[in-house]
Amino acid sequence: AQKITQTQPGMFVQEKEAVTLDCTYDTSDPSYGLFWYKQPSSGEMIFLIYQGSYDQQNATEGRYSLNFQKARKSANLVISASQLGDSAMYFCAMRHRSYNTDKLIFGTGTRLQVFP
Amino acid sequence: DADVTQTPRNRITKTGKRIMLECSQTKGHDRMYWYRQDPGLGLQLIYYSFDVKDINKGEISDGYSVSRQAQAKFSLSLESAIPNQTALYFCATASRGGGTDTQYFGPGTRLTVL
Repeated sequence: AQKITQTQPGMFVQEKEAVTLDCTYDTSDPSYGLFWYKQPSSGEMIFLIYQGSYDQQNATEGRYSLNFQKARKSANLVISASQLGDSAMYFCAMRHRSYNTDKLIFGTGTRLQVFP
Repeated sequence: DADVTQTPRNRITKTGKRIMLECSQTKGHDRMYWYRQDPGLGLQLIYYSFDVKDINKGEISDGYSVSRQAQAKFSLSLESAIPNQTALYFCATASRGGGTDTQYFGPGTRLTVL
């Protein structure tokens, strides 16, 4: 069965430091996509970064990078130079698509708090 | 203007009432989704639609129905609301084929059923 696991309920990081948010996944799909979303206290879900299962290089988007280790089934999010505005919930998600379904499977999230 | 809009943004209703949540998008995407988020949890899929004539149940569709009125509009209905349907509801859109199939979310509707 497809599953996303985020084992860190909460993380603290000092402003300007880097932080890694963990995500492991389980799937039998030969092809899949991995996503990270940010949910600030206002509630919206903001897309951050995507990694395809066949991508050779780790994805990067500005201060966000995805440390993709396929053999270990992990897709950790790295935020460099943290800012106070990075304080939010972060969700890892995996696309599962078959002949009769198409959905994102979400983890339970990690609450990141950035302090001055 | 936002690409994916949801109305209402907040709603308080009573048990047994029928309620409709609406979603509109200007992204030109053909796929649309409804998710719910319960406190402290990730999102769960309620329904999804690949186009106007293709609607599919997600993992928690009981108690919900949907209507795809046009490519840009996808509505979620609670026929008879109950308190455990209190949650944050998200609409999302994605483009078919190629690329990442990234789902883009609306701002959410916070629903409270008393």
